[in-house]
This record gives sequence, C-alpha cells and structure tokens, in this order.
Amino acid sequence: QVQLVDSGGGLVKPGGSLRLSCAASGFTFSDYYMTWIRQAPGKGLEWVSYISNGGDSIYYADSVKGRFTISRDNAKNLVYLQMNSLRAEDTAVYYCARENWYPDIWGRGTLVTVSS
Amino acid sequence: EIVLTQSPVTLSLSPGERATLSCRASQSVSSYLAWYQQKPGQAPRLLIYGASNRATGIPARFSGSGSGTDFTLTISSLEPEDFAVYYCQQRSNWPLITFGPGTKVDIK
Repeated sequence: QVQLVDSGGGLVKPGGSLRLSCAASGFTFSDYYMTWIRQAPGKGLEWVSYISNGGDSIYYADSVKGRFTISRDNAKNLVYLQMNSLRAEDTAVYYCARENWYPDIWGRGTLVTVSS
Repeated sequence: EIVLTQSPVTLSLSPGERATLSCRASQSVSSYLAWYQQKPGQAPRLLIYGASNRATGIPARFSGSGSGTDFTLTISSLEPEDFAVYYCQQRSNWPLITFGPGTKVDIK
C-alpha cells in the first residue's frame, strides 16, 4: 500500500546536526514532489521544505533557510532532511509527505528534540 | 504570508450532531484550500482538497464549501471517531503553504 516511513529523529544539543530519512513505497516515487512539515509539541503545523520530483527545484521556509537541506534518492525511494545548527525552536515532530497538489500521504512522523 | 484563522478554537458536541468549522484567509486563496483531521499521536489525514472535493476514502458525511477568503468544513452527523483536531491549509501562494491553528472537536 502507499506508505511513507520517516525516521532519524532524536535528542540533539543546540548547534548540533541530525539527518532525517523518509522511505516511500506503494507509488512511483519519482513522479512526485515531496515535502517536510513539522509540528512543535502541542502546536500547529508548519511547512519546512519542498523538493521537486527530479530534485532540481528546492524550497525552504525562512525559519530553516541556510540551516536545513532537503535531498532525495529516486533509485532508493528516499527523501532526506539534513538539519544543521539546530535550535530549541526546531523541536518538533517532523513529517514527510507526498505532494499531490496538497500533502496527501503523510509519514507517522519522527520526533526531534533540541535540548542541552 | 497568507494567514489562516480558524473558529471556533474548540467545538463541544455530541455524537450524531452536526459540526460546522470555519476557516478564514487573510487574502483570497481562490479554491486552493484543504482540510485535515489529526488524532492524538497520529499524522494529519487529508479530508478535503480544492475547498470541496473529498479525498480518497473519506466518508460522505464530510463536506467542504467556500471560496476566496471564507471556507467551511461540515460534518453532517458526528461519529465517535470524528472527535479530533481539524486544520485548514492553503496552497494559493505555493510553495509558501500555510496552515490554520486548528479547531478541536471534542465530546460534550
């Protein structure tokens, strides 16, 4: 079935780095843009980044620009989010999602906690 | 940035009742609006896209309406599994998509 499995979250100190992964299955991965969306504890949803189906167009929210890098490997059906210079305000559950005019398929999310 | 405002913050209803949720945009988003349902510990689930189109597998009791700046999600008769938080989302100025703050539908 159509599925996204995100992973890679954990506890990291301020200024540290983490790489999230999202494994796709059940659909033709290379046909779709992919996105990362986050949700701080008890808060609403915030868009983080988009990557085009071929990986040549990339967009970031201002809050993460210059610190986060999105990438994908279409041969492995994977999308990544490299997060550097992490701050306390980056603490959130990070969801990868398939973009089909709207984020229509979501992973279960992976929790990133930035704390000393 | 297009700001979405949702009302009410909390809606307390009983099973079988009708739920009416509102989403207002700070500027016109045409019909580029979606609704999501989120239950505790779960990812959001797409319910409605393009303001009024039900996503695959979504029951007919969920309906969306509106265009421009004012939108409504209606649940015609609440089932026990419908008690959750509902978010609206616009894609009018993609890729800068934004979400509303959410409406919690809880059991009265």
